[in-house]
Amino acid sequence: GIQVEQSPPDLILQEGANSTLRCNFSDSVNNLQWFHQNPWGQLINLFYIPSGTKQNGRLSATTVATERYSLLYISSSQTTDSGVYFCAVIVQGGSGNTGKLIFGQGTTLQVKP
Amino acid sequence: NAGVTQTPKFQVLKTGQSMTLQCAQDMNHNSMYWYRQDPGMGLRLIYYSASEGTTDKGEVPNGYNVSRLNKREFSLRLESAAPSQTSVYFCAATRDPLGGYTFGSGTRLTVV
Repeated sequence: GIQVEQSPPDLILQEGANSTLRCNFSDSVNNLQWFHQNPWGQLINLFYIPSGTKQNGRLSATTVATERYSLLYISSSQTTDSGVYFCAVIVQGGSGNTGKLIFGQGTTLQVKP
Repeated sequence: NAGVTQTPKFQVLKTGQSMTLQCAQDMNHNSMYWYRQDPGMGLRLIYYSASEGTTDKGEVPNGYNVSRLNKREFSLRLESAAPSQTSVYFCAATRDPLGGYTFGSGTRLTVV
């Protein structure tokens, strides 16, 4: 099956720093989604981005589907950005008109004050 | 508008006990999913349902059963819990199977 690899696995930043998280995938995908899992375990959708670039405040994401990677940019990081960032690709499912999410193992981000 | 609601939030079981995790969505979405998350790992797909009356196995279905009771509800059953099933379980739903997914807040299950 498709493989989703995220890097780096861990990242420690000082508040105010910028960072780039990377997601590589091994095969063509229908779509891609970035999530933030906060310290309470809640999964929050950040971007739904099959291709191109999207921005939401201090966060932006770029997906280059032809080269099978996506990048998540965090600028001017804040302590509330801490948590785990997951990339998940959407592939065709089994029965019916459905798909399924395949997750990478995540990047754990710690932002220090 | 609650989105995806999971119950219970926490549960401790003894090995061999059975239980059902409940998931309900109020978004009128067709597709629903059950994932598990183990420490240091991403989420892995257990079962999913494209629509009412259909279910499919995911990556790690062994030891689980599911029921798509109606369009709103998708339950996950552990018939004989094992310590290896200690995990955090997430339910998700999507209107467009190739689009964005919404997750519930999770059920933390410990099997002793």
